[in-house]
Formats: sequence, structure tokens, C-alpha cells
Amino acid sequence: KAGVTQTPRYLIKTRGQQVTLSCSPISGHRSVSWYQQTPGQGLQFLFEYFSETQRNKGNFPGRFSGRQFSNSRSEMNVSTLELGDSALYLCASSLVNLEHSSEQFFGPGTRLTVL
Amino acid sequence: KNQVEQSPQSLIILEGKNCTLQCNYTVSPFSNLRWYKQDTGRGPVSLTIMTFSENTKSNGRYTATLDADTKQSSLHITASQLSDSASYICVVSLYSGAGSYQLTFGKGTKLSVIP
Repeated sequence: KAGVTQTPRYLIKTRGQQVTLSCSPISGHRSVSWYQQTPGQGLQFLFEYFSETQRNKGNFPGRFSGRQFSNSRSEMNVSTLELGDSALYLCASSLVNLEHSSEQFFGPGTRLTVL
Repeated sequence: KNQVEQSPQSLIILEGKNCTLQCNYTVSPFSNLRWYKQDTGRGPVSLTIMTFSENTKSNGRYTATLDADTKQSSLHITASQLSDSASYICVVSLYSGAGSYQLTFGKGTKLSVIP
């Protein structure tokens, strides 16, 4: 079956703009998690959505937000972009939410560059 | 100080040799500990998931161990192959209160397998 897909794969924005990233999970998966990966900080957890509700949240400012639709597709929005937001944004899907030992499947990521 | 520390930061081994990667964590209580493999430019791939009550889990040539008393985990790779060259990331799912969880990532160990 199809894996996790993320669009777009690459994005260039300027400071102050906002951006929306999209993630389509594996069919039947109800949990979608978002992560930021940078060379300096490594992988960091942003938030998790399960059945259209935000279940878990990392330590990121309110400029980072997300939502999940009834078909489990998820979007992540970053407002008022800063240079430090340049990163690889990964999403992962799983059958159930994070506190259960359910395998996560990652997408290829969206490479965001903020100029 | 990072709550999940991995060592070594990088490792070079000869093809066919075994190696062991370490993960020490300070977070508690946690619900599970995961090991991921991430090839350059790609999303992570799940290798093993262990709850706090498990002390070993295998996935082919990969074997993870967990000592919840000393808060240490290791990932042992047997008979390494060139395709094992990647970053290996240890992740702890931490209960953050009020029924929510978040994932805390180590910075990873970069493994290079040479012929």
C-alpha cells in the first residue's frame, strides 16, 4: 500500500511569510505526528493529531500549528516565518496514538528554506 | 542537558563486523523507547519499539536491549553491511502530564560501514 506522502517536497519562503505543509498518512492510520529536523537540534517533536484532535504537543511556539481532517490527512502551518525555521519537516503516521507502541511510518519530508 | 544522550556520535566499522550503539536517557516515566534508522535525505525508518517492561527486541540483524534500572538502551548490529551506513536515532516517549505524551530524540549516531 502507498506510504506516507508529503507535499510540497521543497519550499522557499521569506521571513514574515506563512507556510502550510501537507501530509497524507497511510490508509487506515489515524495518528499523524509532525517533526522538525535541523543539523543543530536534530529531530524535535512538534505535535500529534489523532482523530482530528491534537493529542500531544512538543515545546514549540504558537506560530506552529496544525490540524487533521476527517480523512486523517494533516496540515501544518507556520506563521511569521523566521530564518531559524529553515529545516526538514517530517510527518509520520501510525495506527494508534503515540503512547501506544505502534510503529510509525515517516514520509520523505518537506525541505523548507526561509530567506 | 539533553534528556536522551547517544554515543558514540559517529562510528566507522568494516563490513561484516558487529557494532553496538548506546542510548542513555534521564526522562521518566516513559511509555516506550524506539530506535530508528535514517538514511541521508530520507525519513527515519522504525527498527524496534520496546515498552519499559521489555528488555530485548530483535529485527533481523538489529537487536535492541533496554535496562530500565540504569536507563540505558543499546542497539547491536550483527554482520554489518554497506547499507547499514546511516544515522541511528534513539527516541523516548515521555509522559508529560495531563494525559499527553511527547517524544524526546537523541542526536543520533552516524554509522559508516566501509568495505
